[in-house]
Amino acid sequence: NAGVMQNPRHLVRRRGQEARLRCSPMKGHSHVYWYRQLPEEGLKFMVYLQKENIIDESGMPKERFSAEFPKEGPSILRIQQVVRGDSAAYFCASSPGTNSYNEQFFGPGTRLTVL
Amino acid sequence: KNQVEQSPQSLIILEGKNCTLQCNYTVSPFSNLRWYKQDTGRGPVSLTIMTFSENTKSNGRYTATLDADTKQSSLHITASQLSDSASYICVVSAIGYSTLTFGKGTMLLVSP
Repeated sequence: NAGVMQNPRHLVRRRGQEARLRCSPMKGHSHVYWYRQLPEEGLKFMVYLQKENIIDESGMPKERFSAEFPKEGPSILRIQQVVRGDSAAYFCASSPGTNSYNEQFFGPGTRLTVL
Repeated sequence: KNQVEQSPQSLIILEGKNCTLQCNYTVSPFSNLRWYKQDTGRGPVSLTIMTFSENTKSNGRYTATLDADTKQSSLHITASQLSDSASYICVVSAIGYSTLTFGKGTMLLVSP
C-alpha cells in the first residue's frame, strides 16, 4: 500500500507563472488536506477536500489559490501568478474518514521556489 | 483561537542520552494531541495520538504524556540515536473540527 504521493517534489517558478501541485492519497482514503510550511514556521492548514467537494477552505488565501479533488485522479493545489512569498513547502495529507481522531498521513511535500 | 507553543526551540544532545520536549496548548473543545517527527525534507510522521482520557502513551523509545488540566504535553526520548535528529511537532485538534493546529516544532540534533 503506497503512501501519500506528491509531485513534483521540487518546483521552480518565476513570478507571475502558475504552479500546480499534485497529491495522490493513500489507497482507500477519500479525504485530502493541504498544508503550507514557511521557513522556520509550523505547518498551516489550507484546505480540506473530499472527492469532488471542498469541505473547509478557511486557510486558503482569498486570491490566486484554488484546490480540487476530482472524482478521478489526484488532488490539485493551483497557485496562479505566483509571488516570492509563495515560496514554501506544501504538504498533502490523507485520511480515511471524518473522525478527528483519524490519523492523517502526510506526503513528502512539494518545495516551491519562486524566483 | 487554537494555539500550540513548544519548547525548547532547538536542542543538542549526545547519542545515548535522554531528553524531554515540551508542548503547551490552547484548544477548545479538546479532542486529541499528537506528536509528529519530521525529518529534514520529508513529511511529518505520527509518533503518538492521545485523547483527553489518556495521560501517557509509548511508541518504542518515545513516551508522550498529557496533562489535560494544565494543557501541557511532553515527549520523552530514551537512549537517543543519531536517527532521532529531526523536528518534533506537537499538534492538537478540536472536537468537531477536521483541521489540526501545529506547533513550530523542536529541532533535535543528536550528536555522536
